Amino acid sequence: NAGVMQNPRHLVRRRGQEARLRCSPMKGHSHVYWYRQLPEEGLKFMVYLQKENIIDESGMPKERFSAEFPKEGPSILRIQQVVRGDSAAYFCASSPLLLAATSTDTQYFGPGTRLTVL
Amino acid sequence: GESVGLHLPTLSVQEGDNSIINCAYSNSASDYFIWYKQESGKGPQFIIDIRSNMDKRQGQRVTVLLNKTVKHLSLQIAATQPGDSAVYFCAETPGNQFYFGTGTSLTVIP
Repeated sequence: NAGVMQNPRHLVRRRGQEARLRCSPMKGHSHVYWYRQLPEEGLKFMVYLQKENIIDESGMPKERFSAEFPKEGPSILRIQQVVRGDSAAYFCASSPLLLAATSTDTQYFGPGTRLTVL
Repeated sequence: GESVGLHLPTLSVQEGDNSIINCAYSNSASDYFIWYKQESGKGPQFIIDIRSNMDKRQGQRVTVLLNKTVKHLSLQIAATQPGDSAVYFCAETPGNQFYFGTGTSLTVIP
């Protein structure tokens, strides 16, 4: 069983460029979560999506950031006009169900995309 | 906002000893808690979880204890091995969103 896949693993962008981060959830998982992790810090929730729906984007910056999870294909986290402060590791996690529904199904993380803004 | 903090940012233990990593959470409404292990350059890996209707849960070499009265969570690792060296995060959720602590870095001394 393939786990959560993220690509690219490393992404370098210059200030002002766009960054697109992709996440393919585990097979059978319809819920995707994006997190940002700064060095020496914990994971900060950004957005929670189901197929074609944004459920909770309370952790997403209001400008330049957007996320989607189309009916077909991976979930995309898009950062427009990147700035140096966007440099971080971005992790995607997936789960099959609403997390509150069961204690055995939880969210599984991908390996992350490390974004460096020059 | 929510806050999940860890009492000790770093922990060093001798190989073979037991490790205890602590976590304080702030949201009384949180009903589900998870411990994750994150090795350098990798994504967090699920270790063990516990629901608020339990106070203890055991896995292979790991035990999670939950004290709802003082909003405290701990992870116990038995017979710690060099492969256990990593950063350990606790996470809590009152619903859809998870809140993670900063993490405790565990170093196992051979």
